[in-house]
Amino acid sequence: GNSVTQMEGPVTLSEEAFLTINCTYTATGYPSLFWYVQYPGEGLQLLLKATKADDKGSNKGFEATYRKETTSFHLEKGSVQVSDSAVYFCALSFNQAGTALIFGKGTTLSVSS
Amino acid sequence: NAGVMQNPRHLVRRRGQEARLRCSPMKGHSHVYWYRQLPEEGLKFMVYLQKENIIDESGMPKERFSAEFPKEGPSILRIQQVVRGDSAAYFCASSEGRQNQPQHFGDGTRLSIL
Repeated sequence: GNSVTQMEGPVTLSEEAFLTINCTYTATGYPSLFWYVQYPGEGLQLLLKATKADDKGSNKGFEATYRKETTSFHLEKGSVQVSDSAVYFCALSFNQAGTALIFGKGTTLSVSS
Repeated sequence: NAGVMQNPRHLVRRRGQEARLRCSPMKGHSHVYWYRQLPEEGLKFMVYLQKENIIDESGMPKERFSAEFPKEGPSILRIQQVVRGDSAAYFCASSEGRQNQPQHFGDGTRLSIL
C-alpha cells in the first residue's frame, strides 16, 4: 500500500543550526510530495511541494528534493530559528483531482535560542 | 481572511451525546476533506465530499460517523453516541479539485469526550 515514514522526534536544535528531517515513501505509482507545518493549536499549512522526480520545493528557507531512486523527500534548512518550532508532516497524494493526502506521523522540532 | 473556517474550535461532549463539526471551505473551493488526528499520530483521511455528494468515505468508521456537504451551507461531520476513543482533533481541508492543486486546512476542532 501507500505510506509515508518520517524520522521520529523530537528534534531539538539550537538557533542557526542545520536541520534535516528525513521522509521516505512507498507508493504504487508516481505521487506528488508535500511538507506541511503545524504550529501549536493551529491547522496545517502547506510549506512546500514537488510534483515529479528531481523537482525541488522551497519556501521560507526550507527545501526538499523529490528523489525517486531513494523514494525520499527529506526536508532541510540551513539555519533554523526559534520561530520554526512546530510539527512537520510529510505527505503524498496522487495527481488525480480529489485524492486524499497520506501523512507521516509528524516530527516535532524544538529550536532554542 | 478567506481561509477554511472550522467551528467550534473546541467541543466537549459526554459519552453517548452527539457531536457536530462544521467546515466552510475557502472561497471558490468545492471539494472538502475531513481528517482525524489522534494524539501523537499523523492525520488520517476520513471522507472526501463535493457539493451534495460523498465521493470517498473509505476512511470513515462504518458506524456512528456521517458527513454531508449540502448545496448551501458548510460541510458537517456528525458523530453519534460519542465514545472516549473519539477524542481527537478533526481537520477539514478544501481544494479547487483540479489536478495538482493543494489542500488548504482549517485550524481544526478539538473534540474531548468526558
